[in-house]
Amino acid sequence: EAQVTQNPRYLITVTGKKLTVTCSQNMNHEYMSWYRQDPGLGLRQIYYSMNVEVTDKGDVPEGYKVSRKEKRNFPLILESPSPNQTSLYFCASSLSAGQGSNQPQHFGDGTRLSIL
Amino acid sequence: AQSVAQPEDQVNVAEGNPLTVKCTYSVSGNPYLFWYVQYPNRGLQFLLKYITGDNLVKGSYGFEAEFNKSQTSFHLKKPSALVSDSALYFCAVLNNRLAFGKGNQVVVIP
Repeated sequence: EAQVTQNPRYLITVTGKKLTVTCSQNMNHEYMSWYRQDPGLGLRQIYYSMNVEVTDKGDVPEGYKVSRKEKRNFPLILESPSPNQTSLYFCASSLSAGQGSNQPQHFGDGTRLSIL
Repeated sequence: AQSVAQPEDQVNVAEGNPLTVKCTYSVSGNPYLFWYVQYPNRGLQFLLKYITGDNLVKGSYGFEAEFNKSQTSFHLKKPSALVSDSALYFCAVLNNRLAFGKGNQVVVIP
C-alpha cells in the first residue's frame, strides 16, 4: 500500500530534550516536505526537499532541522524543543520534484508533539 | 506572494442538502488550485485540482469545484451532503510553492 509513515504519532516531552520525528514514503517520490498545523493558521511549511541531499527552508524553519540522506526518508529534528513548537506535524511527499509541481501531495497521519 | 482565504470557520449543512465551501485566492499569473480534506486523526487527502481547461473540476467522493477567474474563487461543492463528509477542508494555491488556507470545518447534521 502506498503510504507516508510518520513516527511517533504522539509525543510529550520537555523543553530542551532533542527529538526526531521520522518520515518514510514507499512511493519513490522525489519531493518531500514537513508542515505544522496550528488552529486558525492552516498548514505552514517548515522544510522541503526536492531530492536526496537537497533541502531548503519553508515558511517557518526556525528551531528545526532536516536531512535527506535516502530518497524514502526525511526526518524532522528538533535540537532543543521549546513550548512554541507544540503542534501537529505532517510529512508529505509527491512524485515530481520542485515546489512548483502540480502533482498532489500525499500526507502522513500526523505527529502530535507537546513540549512542556 | 500567493495566498488563499477561506472566509468561514465552520459550515453547517443538513444531510442531503447542497454543500459549498468557499475559497478565494491571490496569486500572480495562472494559478494551480487544490482542495484537500482532513478527517479526524488523519493526514490531508487530495480531493481535486484545477490546472487548466474546464472551469468545473470533478474530484473524489462526489465533490466538484468551480474555478472563477474574474472572482478569483475556487469554491468546493457537493450536491447532496453526507454525514460522512463532516471533516476539515483545505484550499491551497500553487505558484512557486503550495500555500494552504486556514481550513473550514464542515459539519453535516443528520
